[in-house]
Amino acid sequence: EVQLVESGGGVVRPGGSLRLSCAASGFTFDDYGMSWVRQAPGKGLEWVSGINWNGGDTGYADSVKGRFTISRDNAKNSLYLQMNSLRAEDTAFYHCARDLGRFGEPPDYWGQGTLVTVSS
Amino acid sequence: DTQMTQSPSSLSASVGDRVTITCRASQGISYYLAWYQQIPGKVPKLLIYAASTLQSGVPSRFSGSGSGTEFTLTISSLQPEDVATYYCQKYNSAPWTFGQGTKVEIK
Repeated sequence: EVQLVESGGGVVRPGGSLRLSCAASGFTFDDYGMSWVRQAPGKGLEWVSGINWNGGDTGYADSVKGRFTISRDNAKNSLYLQMNSLRAEDTAFYHCARDLGRFGEPPDYWGQGTLVTVSS
Repeated sequence: DTQMTQSPSSLSASVGDRVTITCRASQGISYYLAWYQQIPGKVPKLLIYAASTLQSGVPSRFSGSGSGTEFTLTISSLQPEDVATYYCQKYNSAPWTFGQGTKVEIK
């Protein structure tokens, strides 16, 4: 059974940093690209970032480019999102998601998410 | 960047009705379009990818069509369990933008 479990969320002040982690199990992690998607409470979905199977190709939403960095450790079956210079508008549930293929395909499994709250 | 616009933003239909949701891309995206269903309180579920390929396990009353800039998601016979918000997402190139969502309710 595919499982994706996010951690690392919390309350942070504007301008602060957080590192999100996603522990993957139930599938061969390095066979798949991965994504982060966020959803502010009561709002729609926003794709944040994606990474290919070996970490060699990444993409970002314009709203986070230059502030967030996606990475993965295939030996640890883990995905990460380093978030710097956080803003109030970054407040959301952050979901880790497995892509259909190695890269360039939409997510087919999603974690339950971890809540990031940016507030003074 | 390519913008994705869904219409309508919400709709109300009767059980058994045929329901159609449209997603328009501001630039051509070939067939790189996915549809998701999000039931309240749940994570999104992939319904369709490559514009018209039904994801495994998804009921056949869901179908997708289109290419380029205009796409549709059709529910051939609306069921009570289909009450949800539906999102399109383009994935031809980053950023993989979502549409704003269409909320489907039962009349």
